[in-house]
Amino acid sequence: QVQLVESGGGVVQPGGSLRLSCAASGFTFSDFAMHWVRQAPGKGLEWVAFVHVDGHTKFYRDSVQGRFTITRDNSDNTLYLQMNSLRPEDTAVYYCAQESMSSRPFDSWGQGTLVTVSS
Amino acid sequence: QSALTQPASVSGSPGQSITISCTGTRRDVGGYNVVSWYQQHPGKAPKVIIHEDTKRPSGVSSRFSGSKSGNTASLTISGLQAEDEADYHCCSYGGPDTHWVFGGGTKLTVL
Repeated sequence: QVQLVESGGGVVQPGGSLRLSCAASGFTFSDFAMHWVRQAPGKGLEWVAFVHVDGHTKFYRDSVQGRFTITRDNSDNTLYLQMNSLRPEDTAVYYCAQESMSSRPFDSWGQGTLVTVSS
Repeated sequence: QSALTQPASVSGSPGQSITISCTGTRRDVGGYNVVSWYQQHPGKAPKVIIHEDTKRPSGVSSRFSGSKSGNTASLTISGLQAEDEADYHCCSYGGPDTHWVFGGGTKLTVL
């Protein structure tokens, strides 16, 4: 079965950087597009970024464009999110999610990793 | 990238039915047939319960159903059970500029 395991979260000061990882197993990682979705404490879900199977087509929400970079390593079955110039409003649990097809963007989810941006 | 509008909370007694609305615009909910719904228990990851407006993934109870009219999608849970108490989130594609947009989430309390 699909398994997604995020890691790399932690506490970072405003302006700092962090790299999240999502280790995938139970499916052919290179065949599926992937997303990052976040959830601020006590708030709703918020889509963050998307990467196509080819690793080149990428989309971001406006508030992270230019600061966050989504990448994937199909040889290592791992999804990444490089987060730079972090702001307090980036504080959230970050989930990776598997897109089974374009009409089903978030079919499987990891357990999430908490990022706290605070001085 | 505005969020879709959901009620903050709904409640119902065991055995009853409840409906959660998700209101968007013709640029998202009304423009594409890809509204999905997610159930999230406290401290857990979301789980998809409805996709493509009305389709239920295998393994999801038939007590969950989705519908859509114009710019508003709805999730109905029939025969409420205690384990249905959770947060419910709707999501829609919002076009090539917005991509994916979620609602603010609805907390369901089973009385």
